[in-house]
Amino acid sequence: TQLLEQSPQFLSIQEGENLTVYCNSSSVFSSLQWYRQEPGEGPVLLVTVVTGGEVKKLKRLTFQFGDARKDSSLHITAAQPGDTGLYLCAGGLSGGSNYKLTFGKGTLLTVNP
Amino acid sequence: SQTIHQWPATLVQPVGSPLSLECTVEGTSNPNLYWYRQAAGRGLQLLFYSVGIGQISSEVPQNLSASRPQDRQFILSSKKLLLSDSGFYLCAWSSGSGANVLTFGAGSRLTVL
Repeated sequence: TQLLEQSPQFLSIQEGENLTVYCNSSSVFSSLQWYRQEPGEGPVLLVTVVTGGEVKKLKRLTFQFGDARKDSSLHITAAQPGDTGLYLCAGGLSGGSNYKLTFGKGTLLTVNP
Repeated sequence: SQTIHQWPATLVQPVGSPLSLECTVEGTSNPNLYWYRQAAGRGLQLLFYSVGIGQISSEVPQNLSASRPQDRQFILSSKKLLLSDSGFYLCAWSSGSGANVLTFGAGSRLTVL
């Protein structure tokens, strides 16, 4: 069972455009993390959100955690080729062991110069 | 600072041969350790996790096994590889507290022929 659905799966845009990717679930998460992965490397953490409705900004990236803590979005303003990569969301389930994170399948973003 | 090392980076093995991937963490004690597999550059599937020496939890039935002989060492093994074992294997560690943020190794690309 896929607990986290990411959309779109693929996104190809031109440099300077804005974009939003989504991470949705029917489950409530105690925390949600976003990672970015480049080809042939391990994912690297971008941000962690833990409070419903929380908004975090990281330069041109804005992350939002849904009020019900079931979904999240990542918005990139004025995308650059360096933003290219696989964006993964991962959630820790509330009420149980937080040892395991559940990952979505990712959004593969390509920013063309 | 903490670092995670994973090797080998690339491995080509024939069907039926054994496998050993190793992961070590430096700069922390009693970490949670994880093995993930990533197929076709997409989502991560949790294979094993460990919260202490000798404590291994398996997430999916498969042809692989894991061991944790030392606090900061995690090994992924197989006695006889299958074609379906090909993939990108990622080791990760976390402190196990708070939002359980994962730090990943650089990955090991396994091709079974």
